[in-house]
Order: sequence, then structure tokens, then C-alpha cells
Amino acid sequence: AAGVIQSPRHLIKEKRETATLKCYPIPRHDTVYWYQQGPGQDPQFLISFYEKMQSDKGSIPDRFSAQQFSDYHSELNMSSLELGDSALYFCASSIAYPQSTAGTEAFFGQGTRLTVV
Amino acid sequence: GEDVEQSLFLSVREGDSSVINCTYTDSSSTYLYWYKQEPGAGLQLLTYIFSNMDMKQDQRLTVLLNKKDKHLSLRIADTQTGDSAIYFCAEKVYSGAGSYQLTFGKGTKLSVIP
Repeated sequence: AAGVIQSPRHLIKEKRETATLKCYPIPRHDTVYWYQQGPGQDPQFLISFYEKMQSDKGSIPDRFSAQQFSDYHSELNMSSLELGDSALYFCASSIAYPQSTAGTEAFFGQGTRLTVV
Repeated sequence: GEDVEQSLFLSVREGDSSVINCTYTDSSSTYLYWYKQEPGAGLQLLTYIFSNMDMKQDQRLTVLLNKKDKHLSLRIADTQTGDSAIYFCAEKVYSGAGSYQLTFGKGTKLSVIP
């Protein structure tokens, strides 16, 4: 079965550079979430989109922005990168209004490991 | 994960049962999840439970939910070395119009001793 695909898997950037992370949700999933997981930390919610509109916002820095496109894929844009942005960035997708309770789970991609040097 | 709490470490012997506990604070949680994360890997959904259920069993996994105490547990029967990982409890809180998020605990690192 198709899963959530994130690209790239690994990314190395220098301070003050920009980075774009991409997420392709499971087909027919209409909701995308972005999470940041620092070393030894639990995943922290950044932002989510439902039907191409931002639906919720967490601890996303102003230097970051994201959007969901008409094909439901999402991109997380990160500017003026700082050393502290080094983390694993996860994307997850789900169906907002499943037809049954069995369809509500959020499935995660493998993550993009961003290293800022 | 300030709204979801877990103990940080658990060690068990291979073949024993593991019980990982989690408490949450938001009474409007709709679903509660258990995710497994192996070193350097992504979050793998193990199982979930709807908030109006009190138990769910899936092969070696048993989830117990005490909604009154906001306590969730994951029991792994016949724990194997391949079960060594970090286990995250997460709650989904739905706030309407497709808007909700998963809030994670800090994870319990399960170490299985051969």
C-alpha cells in the first residue's frame, strides 16, 4: 500500500540558507501535518492543512511557511536556517472525515533529516 | 508533549510482557494512538483506540483505556528483541472544520534484554 512519501530523506544546509521539504500524502488523504523532532525529543506539531487550507498552527517559527497544493502534496519552506533547526521533520496524512472510525489514523512518512551546519 | 505524559524508560526480559503507560489531560480527545519509533526511523503506527472504547486487542498488543482517569496503556505480550524502540503515546483532539492535531508524549524507551 502507498505510504506517505517525504523528500529529500537527508538535507544538509548552512546557516542562513533556505530549505524546502516536500510531503506526498497517502492517496485520498486530505489532511497533512508537519512535525519537528529534535534529538531525543518528542515530535512537536508545527502546522496542518485540510483541503489546501491551513487548519491548525503549532510551534512553527515565523521563518517557516508551508502550503498544501491542489494535488494535496505539501511543502515546508524554511528560511534563515539556524543551527537549532537541525531535526527530523515528519509529515503525516489522514482523512479528516472518514466514513468509519477505522479510517481516522494519521500515517507518518519516514521523515527528512535536516542538518544545519 | 506537556499534555501527554509517559515514563521515559522500561526494561523487560525477552518473553515477558511489557506494559507502557500514558496519561493525557484533554478530555475532548477523540482517538489515542501508539506509535513505535526505531533508531533513526520514522513513526510507525502500532494501534489506536477510539475514546468510547476501553480495550482493544491486536495480536500481541493490548490497549487499555481508562477514560475517567485519562490513562492509556499498551501491553506487549511475549516481548521480543525486535520490540526494542521508543513508544509514543499520542492523543488526537478535534476542534472542528477538519482542524485537529496529534499531541505526543515524550516517548518510552523500551529495552528488551535477551
